[in-house]
Amino acid sequence: KNEVEQSPQNLTAQEGEFITINCSYSVGISALHWLQQHPGGGIVSLFMLSSGKKKHGRLIATINIQEKHSSLHITASHPRDSAVYICAVRKGAQKLVFGQGTRLTINP
Amino acid sequence: DVKVTQSSRYLVKRTGEKVFLECVQDMDHENMFWYRQDPGLGLRLIYFSYDVKMKEKGDIPEGYSVSREKKERFSLILESASTNQTSMYLCASSPWTTGAYNEQFFGPGTRLTVL
Repeated sequence: KNEVEQSPQNLTAQEGEFITINCSYSVGISALHWLQQHPGGGIVSLFMLSSGKKKHGRLIATINIQEKHSSLHITASHPRDSAVYICAVRKGAQKLVFGQGTRLTINP
Repeated sequence: DVKVTQSSRYLVKRTGEKVFLECVQDMDHENMFWYRQDPGLGLRLIYFSYDVKMKEKGDIPEGYSVSREKKERFSLILESASTNQTSMYLCASSPWTTGAYNEQFFGPGTRLTVL
C-alpha cells in the first residue's frame, strides 16, 4: 500500500462545478503539500499546510491530522484548472513522498 | 525568480547507450533530487543529494547513478539505457531546512524514450 493515496485518480467535470480531491496518508507528518502539474510537465506548489485550512483564490486546502486526511477543493471550476494535482507529505527531514496524482479535466 | 533548468525537454536514445540528464538550479539550494514519473505511480525518488559530492539512494536507484561536483548542478546518469527506463524525469531542488515546510522547486522535466 502506498504511503500517500489520492482519490479519485481521474476526474472530469463541467465548468462551474465544485471539485474535491482527497489525499490520505499512513505516516506521521509535520506538513502536507499540494502541487499542480500542467500538461508539459512543470510542477508548482499550491499549498503547504500542517493544520486547519488555507485558501488562495478559488482553491481551498484542508487537513485533518488526526484522521491523516487532506482535501483540495476548487470552487467555480474553469477549464484552465485542468491539470494533475499531486499531494505530498514530508518523509524524513528533507524529502517528500508523493501520491500518484489526480488528473482533473474541466469541460467548458 | 526561482529557477531549475533541465538540459533537454525530449530525448530519444537507443538501448545500451549511456545517457546524461543535467539539472541546474540558481537558488543556492543544498538539496537536489531526481525523480521519475510514470502513469499511475506518481513521482518516485531515484537519488537525492544534500551537498556537493554527497548522495543518497532513493526508492528506485537501480540502473542509475548521479554526480554532484558543483552545488548548482546535479546529473543523472543511465549507464546502459533500457526500454523500462522510458519515462518523464524531473529534477527538483530545495533549501536545507529544519522547519516544518520543505518546498521543492521543480524543473520542466525531460521526457526520455529508449528504443
